[in-house]
Amino acid sequence: DAGITQSPRHKVTETGTPVTLRCHQTENHRYMYWYRQDPGHGLRLIHYSYGVKDTDKGEVSDGYSVSRSKTEDFLLTLESATSSQTSVYFCAISESGGRQPQHFGDGTRLSIL
Amino acid sequence: SQQGEEDPQALSIQEGENATMNCSYKTSINNLQWYRQNSGRGLVHLILIRSNEREKHSGRLRVTLDTSKKSSSLLITASRAADTASYFCATDEEPGGTSYGKLTFGQGTILTVHP
Repeated sequence: DAGITQSPRHKVTETGTPVTLRCHQTENHRYMYWYRQDPGHGLRLIHYSYGVKDTDKGEVSDGYSVSRSKTEDFLLTLESATSSQTSVYFCAISESGGRQPQHFGDGTRLSIL
Repeated sequence: SQQGEEDPQALSIQEGENATMNCSYKTSINNLQWYRQNSGRGLVHLILIRSNEREKHSGRLRVTLDTSKKSSSLLITASRAADTASYFCATDEEPGGTSYGKLTFGQGTILTVHP
C-alpha cells in the first residue's frame, strides 16, 4: 500500500471553528489531492497540489484553503467550519498527475455540529 | 458537476457470476480509470485505460472504452464475496500535454456478491 497517512481519522467539531486536516505521504510523489465524498455525489475534488507551494482549486473549493510547505505534507483547512462541510475527506497522491493512477488514504470522517 | 454516470447504482449477484458495470461521460478524455472502495476505506486503483485504447485486462477484470459513445464498462468475471465493494469510474479530462490529474468521479456502483 502507498504510504499515505491522514490525520485525524475522525473529528467532531462545532460550526464556526477552524479545522485542519493533514495528509502525509512517504512516496515522494509530486501531486497531492483533497477530495470530499458525500452520498449521491461520489468524490469531488477540493484542491490539489503539483509541487511544494504550488496549489490550485478544484470543483468545490469554496470555504477551504490548502498549504504545501513540504513534499510530504498537504494540509486542508476549513477556516470557519459549516454543517455543509460535514463529509468524509480523502487525500490522494500521484507520481505524475493525470497520466498515472492516484493512491488514496483511508479518509477523515468530519462531523460539524 | 459529475462527469461520469454509472449504471447500475447497485448490483447483487451470486458468487461465480459475472458482474458488469457501466460508466458514461460527457466530454473528451485523456483516460478513464476504475477504482474500488471497500466500506470505510479509501479508493484502490484497478485499471487505467487511455483514450486511444479500446480494451484492457487485469486478472479477472476487463475494461472496455468506446470514445464514440463516451462510455466504458468494467467486467468482473467469476466474482467472489471479496469483490463486494463500491466501484467508481473517474475521467481525466484536461486537454493538452500537461495533466494535473483533476479526476471527475461518477457516483459509483455498489456491488454485493453473495456466497
